Amino acid sequence: DTEVTQTPKHLVMGMTNKKSLKCEQHMGHRAMYWYKQKAKKPPELMFVYSYEKLSINESVPSRFSPECPNSSLLNLHLHALQPEDSALYLCASSPLLGPRNTEAFFGQGTRLTVV
Amino acid sequence: DAKTTQPPSMDCAEGRAANLPCNHSTISGNEYVYWYRQIHSQGPQYIIHGLKNNETNEMASLIITEDRKSSTLILPHATLRDTAVYYCIVRAPIIQGAQKLVFGQGTRLTINP
Repeated sequence: DTEVTQTPKHLVMGMTNKKSLKCEQHMGHRAMYWYKQKAKKPPELMFVYSYEKLSINESVPSRFSPECPNSSLLNLHLHALQPEDSALYLCASSPLLGPRNTEAFFGQGTRLTVV
Repeated sequence: DAKTTQPPSMDCAEGRAANLPCNHSTISGNEYVYWYRQIHSQGPQYIIHGLKNNETNEMASLIITEDRKSSTLILPHATLRDTAVYYCIVRAPIIQGAQKLVFGQGTRLTINP
């Protein structure tokens, strides 16, 4: 299984809603990532988890709250978002050790629309 | 990590070799060159990476110049499914730990029938 699965594929939420994005992988990868991608722009790194601990936060606003409950799951909790937060949110995973630790696997993304 | 420069767009005929250039003139001695691609509405996909020797896998070949200031990704027999944005990334290796992949603007490659 070389897949990173993201749910839901599409999400529309209001500015006062609370929602969560989910990401799952069963490749035994101990590094997991959240990226944000606006239309016609490259993906931008948001968060990195190593061994289920947050290791990198790229100065992301607190309305985005990541969580890594176990080595296979990564969540992104959303609260009080703005319309400009509408984007494709990508999850990725990679090994932490070994010769393949340079190869990150990405999910298909969740397309989020904030209304 | 070294900055990369890629042409914003390129076209290639189906069945021909697609050669995608990348300039990384400030690359350091221990930095690798990575290539990813992103097909429309999908997540990025790892293609290949290298340090100074040319590399080949089932997807592509990577040619790195002797001075390492530039590289070329070669898709030997391009198909319509190779239409995508191709990202060249330069970064130092991490022996143990999470990698901080930073994407540049990339090259939008269009394969024409």
